[in-house]
Amino acid sequence: DTAVSQTPKYLVTQMGNDKSIKCEQNLGHDTMYWYKQDSKKFLKIMFSYNNKELIINETVPNRFSPKSPDKAHLNLHINSLELGDSAVYFCASSAGRLSGANVLTFGAGSRLTVL
Amino acid sequence: GDSVTQMEGPVTLSEEAFLTINCTYTATGYPSLFWYVQYPGEGLQLLLKATKADDKGSNKGFEATYRKETTSFHLEKGSVQVSDSAVYFCALSSNTNAGKSTFGDGTTLTVKP
Repeated sequence: DTAVSQTPKYLVTQMGNDKSIKCEQNLGHDTMYWYKQDSKKFLKIMFSYNNKELIINETVPNRFSPKSPDKAHLNLHINSLELGDSAVYFCASSAGRLSGANVLTFGAGSRLTVL
Repeated sequence: GDSVTQMEGPVTLSEEAFLTINCTYTATGYPSLFWYVQYPGEGLQLLLKATKADDKGSNKGFEATYRKETTSFHLEKGSVQVSDSAVYFCALSSNTNAGKSTFGDGTTLTVKP
């Protein structure tokens, strides 16, 4: 069983469209994250949810809206896609957010290409 | 705020060469330190970690020691293999920052036979 699974793995779409990426974890973790990795491999946190509550919301355009229906799921919806949104989006989860030793388990990534 | 600075890449080595990837950090409080590895086409996975000063993390022949006096956590391996080719990320997490993890920019390692 995959610990953190995200779908779709690849997404190719036109500018202006709306798309969603889904993420599920079966590790029983309380905290989930979305990261964006650009073409230079730089990794940037976007959002974090703890038990369905938003706890980290970095400077991200309003076009990006996360939703966590329960603590095992964290979805990312993107409106009005732009060329600059092309990247690999990683979902991650962790159990020890406040312990300091916050080990992240990542999904395999969703590669978004905006044409 | 917290920050992680790691050696710029890319790094290219021959098989069986010695590897060092430097990592230094700035953080409030007492962070935990991590190395993550990302193989081509995959997500990041934890390679090793250290939670307090002078701890040594080790895994798959890789080692890193938490040095508080130099705020460093350099990654080393005595003899690299082709299969070690990947992107390596140094990271820290601190319970003073909502548990947010801060990552370095990544170092791409290529090992040639």
